[in-house]
Amino acid sequence: NAGVTQTPKFHILKTGQSMTLQCAQDMNHGYLSWYRQDPGMGLRRIHYSVAAGITDKGEVPDGYNVSRSNTEDFPLRLESAAPSQTSVYFCASSYSVTRRKPPSTDTQYFGPGTRLTVL
Amino acid sequence: AQSVSQHNHHVILSEAASLELGCNYSYGGTVNLFWYVQYPGQHLQLLLKYFSGDPLVKGIKGFEAEFIKSKFSFNLRKPSVQWSDTAEYFCAVSGFVSNNAGNMLTFGGGTRLMVKP
Repeated sequence: NAGVTQTPKFHILKTGQSMTLQCAQDMNHGYLSWYRQDPGMGLRRIHYSVAAGITDKGEVPDGYNVSRSNTEDFPLRLESAAPSQTSVYFCASSYSVTRRKPPSTDTQYFGPGTRLTVL
Repeated sequence: AQSVSQHNHHVILSEAASLELGCNYSYGGTVNLFWYVQYPGQHLQLLLKYFSGDPLVKGIKGFEAEFIKSKFSFNLRKPSVQWSDTAEYFCAVSGFVSNNAGNMLTFGGGTRLMVKP
């Protein structure tokens, strides 16, 4: 199993441009989430999904959109990038027994991250 | 709202020194606790987790953590650090938020550990 994969690893955008960060997992996990990591602030959840077709907002959802059309993929879209979205983005997955609630006890497996710079 | 505080942002130790990283959380309900590690250029990996039972939990690579409920703390320890422990360490707490939001995993700000050979 490849685990959680993310593409691209690095990217530079100009303000106002759009972009999609890709996340895929091959562990048949139900729960997927996107985090951003900023110095001194740890990781903050942007959006999450407990199953295909179900998505919800996390702590910092503004400026980001997600979709979940199947179990494996969970792309994160920036419609109009802003310098404040310069960050490292991590996708994480975990096995979710309870379909409609994010798991509390399951280990989350993180992808390698995407370092995004918005000029 | 739940929150997690890691008071030490940067820690520098020599090899063989003992390590203790502080983690305090704020949450009124039942929580599950985690420590994650991020080695330079790599993604986050789970070090250890606590759900219930013995409050002293042992993780990988000789790390352990103690849950002290009365102090809302979950400090990470290692008796003797190695140069390879140089990394950033994150404490995280998972607690039930609401019927709509379910459980939320909240991370602390992280502690950068540098171990000098």
